[in-house]
Amino acid sequence: EPEVTQTPSHQVTQMGQEVILRCVPISNHLYFYWYRQILGQKVEFLVSFYNNEISEKSEIFDDQFSVERPDGSNFTLKIRSTKLEDSAMYFCASSEWGTIQPQHFGDGTRLSIL
Amino acid sequence: GENVEQHPSTLSVQEGDSAVIKCTYSDSASNYFPWYKQELGKGPQLIIDIRSNVGEKKDQRIAVTLNKTAKHFSLHITETQPEDSAVYFCAPRGGSQGNLIFGKGTKLSVKP
Repeated sequence: EPEVTQTPSHQVTQMGQEVILRCVPISNHLYFYWYRQILGQKVEFLVSFYNNEISEKSEIFDDQFSVERPDGSNFTLKIRSTKLEDSAMYFCASSEWGTIQPQHFGDGTRLSIL
Repeated sequence: GENVEQHPSTLSVQEGDSAVIKCTYSDSASNYFPWYKQELGKGPQLIIDIRSNVGEKKDQRIAVTLNKTAKHFSLHITETQPEDSAVYFCAPRGGSQGNLIFGKGTKLSVKP
């Protein structure tokens, strides 16, 4: 069964450094999402992306965050100048052709900011 | 914005018993209602979903019921097995948004 893959599984970064999290969505999917989950808390929406532009973003997704689809398969989340509070699990998801379609999640990247 | 409440926060059942988790939402325009299962170290896995034009959906031991008037939907697991132990999240989609709004999760423990 097709799945969303994320790399790396664990990223450790010094505070203030830039980090890029990578995702390969399911190949025929058109909508892409990033969510995050701080340890022990619920999953929170960050941003959705369709047709090479941001569709929606939450209050969490401020100017330090950006997303990109650099080629036909990858979808990336960049965090500039990381902060301690950015430590969390970051999940990528994709859906087939619309936001009412099921969203399928990857297993996440654990980001640890030191 | 959408307010999502999930109950109970923890649930412990004996193997073979049924489990029911309820999710209440606030946005009357919500139109898509999925349930996710999250095992330790894994991402949320979609287990069942329902759309607003349907009242109930069943897939083997798992069912979801929707009451749009009361703005709640529930996950029903019958004949529970130890491998059902996980955290379960409801995540209704708001009517004006594409993103899912997750509840705080229910930790289900199935004792053999």
